[in-house]
Amino acid sequence: KNEVEQSPQNLTAQEGEFITINCSYSVGVSALHWLQQHPGGGIVSLFMLSSGKKKHGRLIATINIQEKHSSLHITASHPRDSAVYICAVPGTGNQFYFGTGTSLTVIP
Amino acid sequence: KAGVTQTPRYLIKTRGQQVTLSCSPISGHRSVSWYQQTPGQGLQFLFEYFSETQRNKGNFPGRFSGRQFSNSRSEMNVSTLELGDSALYLCASSLGLAGGGETQYFGPGTRLLVL
Repeated sequence: KNEVEQSPQNLTAQEGEFITINCSYSVGVSALHWLQQHPGGGIVSLFMLSSGKKKHGRLIATINIQEKHSSLHITASHPRDSAVYICAVPGTGNQFYFGTGTSLTVIP
Repeated sequence: KAGVTQTPRYLIKTRGQQVTLSCSPISGHRSVSWYQQTPGQGLQFLFEYFSETQRNKGNFPGRFSGRQFSNSRSEMNVSTLELGDSALYLCASSLGLAGGGETQYFGPGTRLLVL
């Protein structure tokens, strides 16, 4: 069993749609990270959150520590949001565990 | 402020060879973490260096090693390369230890192909 599970694995949306990506984890965490990886490999850290909700532009991330679950929402999706979204949690010994990623394609 | 840089960006090696990859963190960052990304396994943590000391290590064989210099630049070395080592190797830097809730800044990666 993976320490971090993401769903869905693949997602195709029409431009303007509201998107939700889910992440469940089994390891104890101090903070959960959402990463974005564009074609070509570059990774950008979108959010680091340990409780509640964070918002950055059209992106919103929430976390429920008790349920060990986090969601990443994208409002008014745009083709430039097309990327792989990965959640990551630090586990024991401070090593990171990663979800398998959600590949998002937004069609104009 | 310059971002994280990695060299080389692309590399082709043959089985049995060894390879050294380099990572220069953002100025002032003391932690450098290394990750391997493959289509089958996704992102996996290799190790983290902080103040020239390895602080954490993932589940990789001893063929994978690294070091960090006094200027925080880091190198990772893979000896006796295997076909399965073909991957994108990413490094990330942060002010403090990555697992302590610090935001990590990723480099563009080194794409290694082992033939």
